Amino acid sequence: DAEITQSPRHKITETGRQVTLACHQTWNHNNMFWYRQDLGHGLRLIHYSYGVQDTNKGEVSDGYSVSRSNTEDLPLTLESAASSQTSVYFCASSPGTSGVGGELFFGEGSRLTVL
Amino acid sequence: DQQVKQNSPSLSVQEGRISILNCDYTNSMFDYFLWYKKYPAEGPTFLISISSIKDKNEDGRFTVFLNKSAKHLSLHIVPSQPGDSAVYFCAASAVNAGKSTFGDGTTLTVKP
Repeated sequence: DAEITQSPRHKITETGRQVTLACHQTWNHNNMFWYRQDLGHGLRLIHYSYGVQDTNKGEVSDGYSVSRSNTEDLPLTLESAASSQTSVYFCASSPGTSGVGGELFFGEGSRLTVL
Repeated sequence: DQQVKQNSPSLSVQEGRISILNCDYTNSMFDYFLWYKKYPAEGPTFLISISSIKDKNEDGRFTVFLNKSAKHLSLHIVPSQPGDSAVYFCAASAVNAGKSTFGDGTTLTVKP
């Protein structure tokens, strides 16, 4: 079955370290997204991509970067982790042509703790 | 400025009764609305959606109503079941924009 997987599921790191969260989907979806979820907040968009070599900033992109070298993967990098980036991170994908809305298929989440 | 708002952080209902979850939005460019359900330690899963050309969409026990003039949508669950206990997120997207903006979620508890 097609799916979307995130790794690692849990990560503890120290302030200032670089961290990369992986996201891999096997649906061949063009659109991929990274969201973070914090207590008392909904899902806030970090970065998104509508296809290979396309990346865009979301509402909370500071301190994060993504790259899209193929259809299946959208890794999220924290260049220098900060305690404010302690959160649960969700990767999602959606079908359709680039930019067209539709339901999102989410991964199970990656819980990141920055000490 | 939060563009999608779910003003009730929590809702508790008895099994068999109706659950009504509400969502308001401010961006008039939004034309597609979705509800997601999330259990603890899992990713959100899509529940039901509605396009702005409709005012109602039904799928089994779940119905979403859209009032464009009021910029308001609601999710009705009838009858509610204990397994419906979860966090429900409202989301909205604009035409030709695959990204969705989410509300803060409403935690629904259905008591047996």
